[in-house]
Amino acid sequence: DAKTTQPNSMESNEEEPVHLPCNHSTISGTDYIHWYRQLPSQGPEYVIHGLTSNVNNRMASLAIAEDRKSSTLILHRATLRDAAVYYCILRPYNNNDMRFGAGTRLTVKP
Amino acid sequence: DTAVSQTPKYLVTQMGNDKSIKCEQNLGHDTMYWYKQDSKKFLKIMFSYNNKELIINETVPNRFSPKSPDKAHLNLHINSLELGDSAVYFCASSRGPPRGTNEKLFFGSGTQLSVL
Repeated sequence: DAKTTQPNSMESNEEEPVHLPCNHSTISGTDYIHWYRQLPSQGPEYVIHGLTSNVNNRMASLAIAEDRKSSTLILHRATLRDAAVYYCILRPYNNNDMRFGAGTRLTVKP
Repeated sequence: DTAVSQTPKYLVTQMGNDKSIKCEQNLGHDTMYWYKQDSKKFLKIMFSYNNKELIINETVPNRFSPKSPDKAHLNLHINSLELGDSAVYFCASSRGPPRGTNEKLFFGSGTQLSVL
């Protein structure tokens, strides 16, 4: 259902940048790329989303490949509080029906 | 104030019982959802309501019945609980309808249901 592929897990050191990849080779022209994260024992929370151009917000940056078949979520300085499962999701422009895959479990080491 | 709140946080019950999980959002959103996260951590949509109207109804046993008394509340009733119902259930809301917009979702902190 999710139509995205992410590594099962990644590790990072505290205060270093983290690049979380996502492949979505079957993306259609009207699909938005959304990222959510789920901290331990919490519900998912919105991180960022984009369509074609790179996006920045206070939490992260989203780099979208020119052909849109892949994207990368960038955490500029990982903190211990960023340890979570990160989900990359494709959403049609007119649909809120969120389909989550397995995501990437990010471990941040002190 | 918590934007999307669910109660109870933990629910332990016996097989065959009937139980309810309540959800309330104070964001003024029109759409609410129920998701189920199983032991493998996959998060799957179950239902979606827009202004008290059922919009999304995935392949869920009819023992599960959502009820929306108003657009700020979406409760989940589960009859004749089975072992396989054990999971974490998340409520969520969004500003726009589930079809026709591309809104971000706000999730509650989940209800861990354990059926013994």
